[in-house]
Amino acid sequence: ETGVTQSPTHLIKTRGQQVTLRCSSQSGHNTVSWYQQALGQGPQFIFQYYREEENGRGNFPPRFSGLQFPNYSSELNVNALELDDSALYLCASSLQPDTEAFFGQGTRLTVV
Amino acid sequence: DAKTTQPPSMDCAEGRAANLPCNHSTISGNEYVYWYRQIHSQGPQYIIHGLKNNETNEMASLIITEDRKSSTLILPHATLRDTAVYYCIVRGYSGGGADGLTFGKGTHLIIQP
Repeated sequence: ETGVTQSPTHLIKTRGQQVTLRCSSQSGHNTVSWYQQALGQGPQFIFQYYREEENGRGNFPPRFSGLQFPNYSSELNVNALELDDSALYLCASSLQPDTEAFFGQGTRLTVV
Repeated sequence: DAKTTQPPSMDCAEGRAANLPCNHSTISGNEYVYWYRQIHSQGPQYIIHGLKNNETNEMASLIITEDRKSSTLILPHATLRDTAVYYCIVRGYSGGGADGLTFGKGTHLIIQP
């Protein structure tokens, strides 16, 4: 059984650009959540996808968007990148929306 | 979800039991207590969760007081690899998982050789 995998592991983008981060959920999990973790802070909830639909959203602007595919893998898209978007982006999958979540190793995004 | 309070840091000697406290005095009846940990530069790792009974798994034990206003995570024989930030999270199920996990600042546990 494979765990949650994220790609790429590191990424550098320029302010104003767009970025797409990818996540493969753990086998059998139909729910994916995305978190942003700034340096020295705890992870902050961005949104959750359940069976290809957005199932909840944290306090993030619309330029943060996502998708979930029929195989339950997911993408996080961020448009018009800002310097403050520099962070570790974490993906977590779970069997159901309200069961324990298992995290990937994250994508370190640096915006310059 | 109810707010949690944890000490910012703790030390523990290698081989001893590490006891990490968490206060959640405003917890409501349908809210669970979850524990995660995060080793430097890695994703958070699920440890254990419980509602009102004590729980044990291969990683740790969770002791929840009878009034449910506080809990303690116990790592029975701490090793250097247990050095990490430990997060205590209270999570309700009324909204499904739609609100996500609310991570505070956690407790930085340092295991001393």
